[in-house]
Amino acid sequence: DQQVKQNSPSLSVQEGRISILNCDYTNSMFDYFLWYKKYPAEGPTFLISISSIKDKNEDGRFTVFLNKSAKHLSLHIVPSQPGDSAVYFCAARSGGSYIPTFGRGTSLIVHP
Amino acid sequence: NAGVMQNPRHLVRRRGQEARLRCSPMKGHSHVYWYRQLPEEGLKFMVYLQKENIIDESGMPKERFSAEFPKEGPSILRIQQVVRGDSAAYFCASSPGGASSYEQYFGPGTRLTVT
Repeated sequence: DQQVKQNSPSLSVQEGRISILNCDYTNSMFDYFLWYKKYPAEGPTFLISISSIKDKNEDGRFTVFLNKSAKHLSLHIVPSQPGDSAVYFCAARSGGSYIPTFGRGTSLIVHP
Repeated sequence: NAGVMQNPRHLVRRRGQEARLRCSPMKGHSHVYWYRQLPEEGLKFMVYLQKENIIDESGMPKERFSAEFPKEGPSILRIQQVVRGDSAAYFCASSPGGASSYEQYFGPGTRLTVT
């Protein structure tokens, strides 16, 4: 029973275009959401997060949008670069819980 | 300023053997978390430890798996009598304080293959 779902296992985008990675969750107790980036043979690296009191958080080329009513969040990367090619994990946790629940990941490939 | 270190990076064990995975947290971090990633899956929490204490082991299989984080030295995840289903990538993460307030920093992982 997956509480955090990333329904697209892979995404291919042209360099310079926008990459949009989607994530859905089912647990209404989740109130903090994170995105991690993972290169092959490395551990996940924290990328950006958002609290449920916000609907948008921006950090350079990366923006995360949260739609609580739809239990949906998305990560936008603009402009996409070949170095962004990696697996992106969406994760969520609830207040007072310190352990995030991870989705299965989306593999992003940015073509030059 | 070294990050989280894990060794070995790759470990091959035959069914029935023991596997020991080591994790050295980042300098100044006293909280360690172990996760397992099965093929085509996300990371699944296993156990959360502070020095000499297991805080939460709700994700650990009831049998064959144990973890420790001694006062001195790395944290160790131990799997006894390994089976093929234990083949996975095992990631360790650390944080300087309680995980509700701090982000976790991940190591590169240990890929365990059981033959």
